[in-house]
Amino acid sequence: AQKITQTQPGMFVQEKEAVTLDCTYDTSDPSYGLFWYKQPSSGEMIFLIYQGSYDQQNATEGRYSLNFQKARKSANLVISASQLGDSAMYFCAMREGGLTGGGNKLTFGTGTQLKVEL
Amino acid sequence: DVKVTQSSRYLVKRTGEKVFLECVQDMDHENMFWYRQDPGLGLRLIYFSYDVKMKEKGDIPEGYSVSREKKERFSLILESASTNQTSMYLCASSLPQQGGAFFGQGTRLTVV
Repeated sequence: AQKITQTQPGMFVQEKEAVTLDCTYDTSDPSYGLFWYKQPSSGEMIFLIYQGSYDQQNATEGRYSLNFQKARKSANLVISASQLGDSAMYFCAMREGGLTGGGNKLTFGTGTQLKVEL
Repeated sequence: DVKVTQSSRYLVKRTGEKVFLECVQDMDHENMFWYRQDPGLGLRLIYFSYDVKMKEKGDIPEGYSVSREKKERFSLILESASTNQTSMYLCASSLPQQGGAFFGQGTRLTVV
């Protein structure tokens, strides 16, 4: 079974509009973390936002917010006031287990290609 | 500024060659990772290391090996390159108590 599912291979949004990128996850571990990364066409992976499984409030970072619905196992990324520079591939990722111990490996989804149009 | 550096942006190798992809981080991170990125498949973990000389297999280790002799350097080795290993390879590092990861710029490997 997929641990991270991103069902939108591609999305279009008009400049200045808000857009939601979907992410659902699957884990039986009570302690986990969820991440969103942005990958522009240049290829580098840019960390955007993090949500811990025990965090009571949804994470926000500037124009990015994470809509965390624990019971639904979803962690959607909301980008407000889209800009042309937001055009990129977006990946949702999960770290399972606590922060101690080795590894802390991240499992990634297949990504959503976002195109912001004028 | 944190930095993860991969030795090459683009690499072309012949089938059967032994290929080394190098990754260096300057953040004193314990954890280091090698991912492979293919269209429609996202990032898949090949190997990771949580300490010097320690390594664990990820989801797709076949055809690859790794080496971590020093904390700052993590090498991915393709023992005998094949055309199905043509891909983008991404190195990352993280602290154990952090969970997230910092990525290098990626190496686009073409095996002909």
